[in-house]
Amino acid sequence: NAGVTQTPKFQVLKTGQSMTLQCAQDMNHEYMSWYRQDPGMGLRLIHYSVGAGITDQGEVPNGYNVSRSTTEDFPLRLLSAAPSQTSVYFCASSFNRDVEEKLFFGSGTQLSVL
Amino acid sequence: DAKTTQPNSMESNEEEPVHLPCNHSTISGTDYIHWYRQLPSQGPEYVIHGLTSNVNNRMASLAIAEDRKSSTLILHRATLRDAAVYYCILRDRGSQGNLIFGKGTKLSVKP
Repeated sequence: NAGVTQTPKFQVLKTGQSMTLQCAQDMNHEYMSWYRQDPGMGLRLIHYSVGAGITDQGEVPNGYNVSRSTTEDFPLRLLSAAPSQTSVYFCASSFNRDVEEKLFFGSGTQLSVL
Repeated sequence: DAKTTQPNSMESNEEEPVHLPCNHSTISGTDYIHWYRQLPSQGPEYVIHGLTSNVNNRMASLAIAEDRKSSTLILHRATLRDAAVYYCILRDRGSQGNLIFGKGTKLSVKP
């Protein structure tokens, strides 16, 4: 089982560039989300989706866009990268949003914005 | 969301039990207690969760105080592979499936 797959693993951008971080899951999960983790910190929620066609903002959504056109994919777009977006990004999914469901996380994308 | 308090770091010796505490004095009656851990350079992984009763699985045990204002994650025999940051997280039915992470406890395991 592939689980939650994130690409790329590493990326370096220049300020102002745009890019898309990819996240795919093969478990037919309804719920998907994006987190960022800065050094020495816990994870902070950026955006989440409770099903195809439905997205909502988390704690730190500014500078990021998402869409959910299929159940499997939940890409995260940086429209104009800033140094403050240097971070490690994690995608997560769960079967649904039930409070007892466990989340499965990808292995992360390390992003540096120069 | 109700808040949790965990020690910043703990140390353990290999093959000894480890008790990781978590305080959640403002927990509501419908909040579930979840534990995740994050190994170095990896994404978090689910460990265990419970509501009121103590829980056991192949990874760990969760002991929940009778008043539910605190809980303890128990690793019965720590291995070097258990060195990680452990997060205690409260989830309520209004959380939309989201996890709210604190800073967690960094567990070091000495051989």
